[in-house]
Amino acid sequence: AQKITQTQPGMFVQEKEAVTLDCTYDTSDPSYGLFWYKQPSSGEMIFLIYQGSYDQQNATEGRYSLNFQKARKSANLVISASQLGDSAMYFCAMREGQGGSEKLVFGKGTKLTVNP
Amino acid sequence: NAGVTQTPKFQVLKTGQSMTLQCAQDMNHEYMSWYRQDPGMGLRLIHYSVGAGITDQGEVPNGYNVSRSTTEDFPLRLLSAAPSQTSVYFCASSYFAAGGTQYFGPGTRLLVL
Repeated sequence: AQKITQTQPGMFVQEKEAVTLDCTYDTSDPSYGLFWYKQPSSGEMIFLIYQGSYDQQNATEGRYSLNFQKARKSANLVISASQLGDSAMYFCAMREGQGGSEKLVFGKGTKLTVNP
Repeated sequence: NAGVTQTPKFQVLKTGQSMTLQCAQDMNHEYMSWYRQDPGMGLRLIHYSVGAGITDQGEVPNGYNVSRSTTEDFPLRLLSAAPSQTSVYFCASSYFAAGGTQYFGPGTRLLVL
């Protein structure tokens, strides 16, 4: 079974609108971390946001927020006020364990296109 | 502070050749890792290291060797290149902590003919 599932191969959004990128995960470990990375066409992997399994509040970083629904095992990325520069591949990833095991498992990604 | 650096940026090999992909970080991170990214796929872990002198296998280790003689450097060696190893290779590093975020190098694009 896949540990990280991103069901949207591609998403389109109008500039200045909000968009949600879906991510579901599968783990039996009570301690885990969830990450979102952005990969623009230039190819680098850029860290966006992190959510720990014991964190009580949803993580936020500027225009990025993580909608963490633990019971549903989902960790959706919300980008508010989309910009043309947000067009990129977005990857959800999970680390199982309480640190000391930094191995990340990645989803296959969602390609976001922001239209003017 | 250069972060994570990788060399070369691009390499073409013939089947059977060997080469070493270099990775260095200047953040004093304990943890370093190598991933490969194939078209339409996310990243898959090849090998990782939790500190100098300690390495372990990831999800797709076959055909690759690593060593970690210093905290800063974590080279990836392809012993006998195969076309199936055509990929983009990323090195990453992080602190060894629950919220330790992995920071990635710019990647090495490898083509094996």
